[in-house]
Amino acid sequence: DAKTTQPPSMDCAEGRAANLPCNHSTISGNEYVYWYRQIHSQGPQYIIHGLKNNETNEMASLIITEDRKSSTLILPHATLRDTAVYYCIVRLNTGTASKLTFGTGTRLQVTL
Amino acid sequence: GAVVSQHPSRVICKSGTSVKIECRSLDFQATTMFWYRQFPKQSLMLMATSNEGSKATYEQGVEKDKFLINHASLTLSTLTVTSAHPEDSSFYICSAWTSGHNEQFFGPGTRLTVL
Repeated sequence: DAKTTQPPSMDCAEGRAANLPCNHSTISGNEYVYWYRQIHSQGPQYIIHGLKNNETNEMASLIITEDRKSSTLILPHATLRDTAVYYCIVRLNTGTASKLTFGTGTRLQVTL
Repeated sequence: GAVVSQHPSRVICKSGTSVKIECRSLDFQATTMFWYRQFPKQSLMLMATSNEGSKATYEQGVEKDKFLINHASLTLSTLTVTSAHPEDSSFYICSAWTSGHNEQFFGPGTRLTVL
């Protein structure tokens, strides 16, 4: 699986959009970009994933650059409950179970 | 849907004892479950992959005789930490994969403290 690079930490004011970047310059054509988050002392929570098109769900939007070497997770209106570590993971989506390799992630602190 | 539970949520034990942690998929069948370990201020590290009805596959450096994994049914996998020592104190997290969602869902984690 391709390696990802994320900033170690970010701050965001409550109510503002949080834009979390991820670099995955060695991504291959059939690898997807996945985002998970982990709130303190809890298990990770799936957020969103995509291959090359931008994706949106009730939690967030995922913007993938045209060359697919980087992506941005957008939380449109961050709240205090969005404070967590956000992990960007690149992996194949083969329809069978495959392990997830977690990097160090970005610690997002949402403040009043 | 796609809820994964773990029991217990936290456990404290004496050095040398064994501890069993259960991971259950509550509303779906999981052919594959994964076990992760997370030390303070570190990321999750995969310990092993468990397929229902077969032996688990352990990651390099993880002792299979110390961390016993049983996946006897499509909704339950157990991790037993045998002869636990203080260095085994960690946050243990399982995830369950379902072909229906083609996604992994994580349990809430079990915090193990070995005195």
